[in-house]
Amino acid sequence: DGGITQSPKYLFRKEGQNVTLSCEQNLNHDAMYWYRQDPGQGLRLIYYSQIVNDFQKGDIAEGYSVSREKKESFPLTVTSAQKNPTAFYLCASSIGTRADRSNVLTFGAGSRLTVL
Amino acid sequence: RKEVEQDPGPFNVPEGATVAFNCTYSNSASQSFFWYRQDCRKEPKLLMSVYSSGNEDGRFTAQLNRASQYISLLIRDSKLSDSATYLCVVTLNSNSGYALNFGKGTSLLVTP
Repeated sequence: DGGITQSPKYLFRKEGQNVTLSCEQNLNHDAMYWYRQDPGQGLRLIYYSQIVNDFQKGDIAEGYSVSREKKESFPLTVTSAQKNPTAFYLCASSIGTRADRSNVLTFGAGSRLTVL
Repeated sequence: RKEVEQDPGPFNVPEGATVAFNCTYSNSASQSFFWYRQDCRKEPKLLMSVYSSGNEDGRFTAQLNRASQYISLLIRDSKLSDSATYLCVVTLNSNSGYALNFGKGTSLLVTP
């Protein structure tokens, strides 16, 4: 079955450490996204990528970095510059970036990061 | 003004009740609309797209009102398993590019 795989599911990090969250999709989707969700809050866009080797900052990109070297993969690095990294991180993908009702987002199961 | 707004709730309803949520959006050029469901500590999953003429999927009915800039979700005969947070999503293409805006969600609790 096609889908999005995020790993690890749970991650603990000490302050000052960088950590990389993995996101892999086999849906043949061009667009991929990273969101952050805090308790009781909505989803906030960190970065998105419309195509391989291209990505754009979202609303809260500071302290994060991404790469898109392969269509299937869009890893997110949470750097030590991110002041409040403890959150639920969601990766998503879509066919493209057209605003029509066939272009739906599919999410991975998420990665829960806790900074100790 | 936020792009997409939802009443956070919670909406507490008894099993079998009918409940409706609204979601308002600020940009009249918005083109596509969706409802997602998110269970506690899980990822959002697509519930249904919202068609201009309205659409139904079993107990769920979605409506779009472009004049008043809102979409709605109606759930009939609520089940305990309907308890979740319902997210509204609005998308558009503009000169600034592609925008995909989430509401913060409406929490529903169906009780026995």
